Amino acid sequence: GDSVTQMEGPVTLSEEAFLTINCTYTATGYPSLFWYVQYPGEGLQLLLKATKADDKGSNKGFEATYRKETTSFHLEKGSVQVSDSAVYFCALSVNSGTYKYIFGTGTRLKVLA
Amino acid sequence: GAGVSQSPSNKVTEKGKDVELRCDPISGHTALYWYRQSLGQGLEFLIYFQGNSAPDKSGLPSDRFSAERTGGSVSTLTIQRTQQEDSAVYLCASSLRANNEQFFGPGTRLTVL
Repeated sequence: GDSVTQMEGPVTLSEEAFLTINCTYTATGYPSLFWYVQYPGEGLQLLLKATKADDKGSNKGFEATYRKETTSFHLEKGSVQVSDSAVYFCALSVNSGTYKYIFGTGTRLKVLA
Repeated sequence: GAGVSQSPSNKVTEKGKDVELRCDPISGHTALYWYRQSLGQGLEFLIYFQGNSAPDKSGLPSDRFSAERTGGSVSTLTIQRTQQEDSAVYLCASSLRANNEQFFGPGTRLTVL
């Protein structure tokens, strides 16, 4: 079945460090891929998305490239800030009769000043 | 405009009681999703409504769970004979169409004593 696997956290980094959060997927169709973020005390919100192979989604300094050959959508940021501390969820949607979203388990990021 | 709203924000109930959780999606959004987020876990898909089509109920964990969406707008998730393992945050999301960005509500935190 369709699934999303993302690296387990928590991830603790110093401010200005480079961030990578790995995400791989399995899907029977041709999925769209998403990263959602949940800041402390807030609801989930879309961070970025990509709908086809080799697309790069970007927002707020974060980037992720849809890699069909490796079935991956890794999240990266060159220089993290304390305000990036949050839980990050990788997700896919694919039309398998209905557009069901599959979310990863989330990766908690803590950035220290 | 207003985002997705959910009520109540918190619900404490006794084991065996029934509860109803409400979701008001963004006006005009045809797709509506319910998820469950347990402590330290990812988002577990429960049910998906798309327009007037029959809902995708494949994620409902037992027949104690049911949901309806009236008039293509407001949705109610009902849990009958609640159990302690039902304790979680229940999230609702809506999107303009299937496969579009999901907008999440703040969630209802359910505690079953």
